[in-house]
Amino acid sequence: DAGITQSPRHKVTETGTPVTLRCHQTENHRYMYWYRQDPGHGLRLIHYSYGVKDTDKGEVSDGYSVSRSKTEDFLLTLESATSSQTSVYFCATQGFEYEQYFGPGTRLTVT
Amino acid sequence: DQQVKQNSPSLSVQEGRISILNCDYTNSMFDYFLWYKKYPAEGPTFLISISSIKDKNEDGRFTVFLNKSAKHLSLHIVPSQPGDSAVYFCAANSNSGYALNFGKGTSLLVTP
Repeated sequence: DAGITQSPRHKVTETGTPVTLRCHQTENHRYMYWYRQDPGHGLRLIHYSYGVKDTDKGEVSDGYSVSRSKTEDFLLTLESATSSQTSVYFCATQGFEYEQYFGPGTRLTVT
Repeated sequence: DQQVKQNSPSLSVQEGRISILNCDYTNSMFDYFLWYKKYPAEGPTFLISISSIKDKNEDGRFTVFLNKSAKHLSLHIVPSQPGDSAVYFCAANSNSGYALNFGKGTSLLVTP
């Protein structure tokens, strides 16, 4: 498996507070992704990055921003958390073909 | 709109038998298809993939079949084992896009 870690693994926060999730990879993969997984929706793309400082929006990007200042780190920020952002968040990197390798996930609860 | 569909939310199979998980897609530009397996509290794990230039790809107990004319693919697991119990996601991509399009998943239960 690709060396992908996510931090924190669990977080509870209050509505209106900012939250940053971190993804770290050791594979030197160029492409990185943030997904959220919700019951009945499968995995939905939030944002992705195709290089350092190169990012773009995915299917469900509203309320989220990302940054990638170096190859190994991809940050996802919820500027002002809402209850609808309670979810499990997965980071992924892309290998040689189209396969993506996922981190262990972050369970975020917004109260 | 969901471009990748897994119409069976769940499937139960006896140990030793064949498990067949199905997936349909609507976008004719998709040219690469993947299956992922996910255990609770873990990230999805890449299982097997197939390019649109093939109609079958096999890896051990896992075989993926692609029917382009029907826009349908299936994952066969033979023989099924209790450790195969997990949620299986179908995903698709096209060479013009970066992201994978995922189905909603099928929960497979293999009973002893």
